[in-house]
Amino acid sequence: GDQVEQSPSALSLHEGTGSALRCNFTTTMRAVQWFQQNSRGSLINLFYLASGTKENGRLKSTFNSKESYSTLHIRDAQLEDSGTYFCAAIASSSFSKLVFGQGTSLSVVP
Amino acid sequence: NSKVIQTPRYLVKGQGQKAKMRCIPEKGHPVVFWYQQNKNNEFKFLINFQNQEVLQQIDMTEKRFSAECPSNSPCSLEIQSSEAGDSALYLCASGGQANTEVFFGKGTRLTVV
Repeated sequence: GDQVEQSPSALSLHEGTGSALRCNFTTTMRAVQWFQQNSRGSLINLFYLASGTKENGRLKSTFNSKESYSTLHIRDAQLEDSGTYFCAAIASSSFSKLVFGQGTSLSVVP
Repeated sequence: NSKVIQTPRYLVKGQGQKAKMRCIPEKGHPVVFWYQQNKNNEFKFLINFQNQEVLQQIDMTEKRFSAECPSNSPCSLEIQSSEAGDSALYLCASGGQANTEVFFGKGTRLTVV
């Protein structure tokens, strides 16, 4: 079936630093979303991309359908960025169903 | 940023009991999804609707759940006979036309004791 492989599974950043999360897809995906899940379980929309790159504040995301990957870059990390980040992709044949990655648990420390 | 409303936020049921949760999708969104997120953070797609019609559902949903999205009423997902393994966060999402951005509600956390 359609698979989304997300890495890393866990990440610790000092405030002010940055890093990248990545999702690789085993099949052609037509779009990807990135979410942050907070401690209460709420999924917050970060990005929706059908192609290309989007930027919002300290976050930037890229989706390359041909090479089957998407990335989420975080720069100047803040304590409130802590949480679990998920990518979720829509496969070409899926009636819009999202296939989720395994999540990245991000901890931002002082 | 989401206007999807899920109730209740928490639900505790005994094994064998019915467990019903509701979802009001964002106004104007014809597509509704239900997902189950387990304690290992794994998401399982359960069912989706376009308007009142089921688009896709997995075997478990078809056999053990009752789900509907009637017009002018909240969507609902009901487990007919709860099992311990059903303890999870149940997330409802809605979206515009197919393959557009989807927005999730805050979820119903079900505990089966």
